[in-house]
Amino acid sequence: AQKVTQAQTEISVVEKEDVTLDCVYETRDTTYYLFWYKQPPSGELVFLIRRNSFDEQNEISGRYSWNFQKSTSSFNFTITASQVVDSAVYFCALSDITQGGSEKLVFGKGTKLTVNP
Amino acid sequence: DAGITQSPRHKVTETGTPVTLRCHQTENHRYMYWYRQDPGHGLRLIHYSYGVKDTDKGEVSDGYSVSRSKTEDFLLTLESATSSQTSVYFCAIKAGLAGVEQFFGPGTRLTVL
Repeated sequence: AQKVTQAQTEISVVEKEDVTLDCVYETRDTTYYLFWYKQPPSGELVFLIRRNSFDEQNEISGRYSWNFQKSTSSFNFTITASQVVDSAVYFCALSDITQGGSEKLVFGKGTKLTVNP
Repeated sequence: DAGITQSPRHKVTETGTPVTLRCHQTENHRYMYWYRQDPGHGLRLIHYSYGVKDTDKGEVSDGYSVSRSKTEDFLLTLESATSSQTSVYFCAIKAGLAGVEQFFGPGTRLTVL
């Protein structure tokens, strides 16, 4: 069975600090997708990134970066120079890769990030 | 904007009453999903659909049924609502550049008294 663990339930930082959100996953599949979503206080779910299991290249998008390490089954998310607008709950998720299929998501329980001014 | 709407956005009902939540999409996506979000559980898949009249169960399907009679609408029904079904319900579609990302509707907050 697939499982996603986000061990950090809540994190609080001061603006401009860097913060890393941890995600560890379990799957028997050799190919799979990993995702991060953001849920701001307004409640909507915002897609941030998708990684394929066969592509371990790290990715950077502005202040956001993602470190995928297959050897440790981790897909960590770092926010550099955090801002108050980054305050949200962040979810890591996993799905299998099904050719033309349903790719059902398994979510972690989320990490609530609070960035204080 | 993935063109997903959910109705109603908020609902309060009583135990034992039937409830139907609607997810509507405007972009002809084949795959649609219903998740529930509860504190301490993240999001969990209830049911999903891979085409008109084609549906399957997810992780927490007990007490729920779904129907999809046309591409744009995916209905979630609680035949007899219970307090344990108090939750926020999200609908999603599968889309994106590789066609595997899921994009979510705004959610429906359901309270069962």
